[in-house]
Amino acid sequence: GAGVSQTPSNKVTEKGKYVELRCDPISGHTALYWYRQSLGQGPEFLIYFQGTGAADDSGLPNDRFFAVRPEGSVSTLKIQRTERGDSAVYLCASSLRGSYNSPLHFGNGTRLTVT
Amino acid sequence: DQQVKQNSPSLSVQEGRISILNCDYTNSMFDYFLWYKKYPAEGPTFLISISSIKDKNEDGRFTVFLNKSAKHLSLHIVPSQPGDSAVYFCAASEGRDDKIIFGKGTRLHILP
Repeated sequence: GAGVSQTPSNKVTEKGKYVELRCDPISGHTALYWYRQSLGQGPEFLIYFQGTGAADDSGLPNDRFFAVRPEGSVSTLKIQRTERGDSAVYLCASSLRGSYNSPLHFGNGTRLTVT
Repeated sequence: DQQVKQNSPSLSVQEGRISILNCDYTNSMFDYFLWYKKYPAEGPTFLISISSIKDKNEDGRFTVFLNKSAKHLSLHIVPSQPGDSAVYFCAASEGRDDKIIFGKGTRLHILP
């Protein structure tokens, strides 16, 4: 079946601009996660949704980052006033319920480059 | 502070031999541990997991060992195959907290 889909696969933007990254989870998966991976690092947790609500947003680095999941399916990660340090691969993952005993299925990521 | 540590950035192993990847953690509240494998330009894929009530879990060529007293886990791959060349991430979560924390990864090279 279809896996987690992330669009776009690549995004180049200028410093100071606004970007939106989209994630389509696996159908029926109630839990959705955003991670960020910088070069040479492991995935860094950003935010986790259970249904429509953010269950844990403790990983969002600052108030320029915001994520929504209005209908409990597709999610959008929004970054305002982008900075060069935001350049990374943004990974989305979904699972059937919470991650406990239910592994995350990742998309291929969106590579964001801020120039 | 790194709660999940993979101290070997890379590892090379001869095809057919055993690959052992190590992981240490600092948070004693972690009770579920996972290994993910990642190929270039793809997202990580789930490999194997273990809960803290066990000390070993096996799935085909892959076995994960957990030593809670040492806060250490390892992934054994035997026999190693060329397709096993990838980056391996150790990860952990804490009970009802569904946030999964990842290590920095170990790049495994399987040599012909």
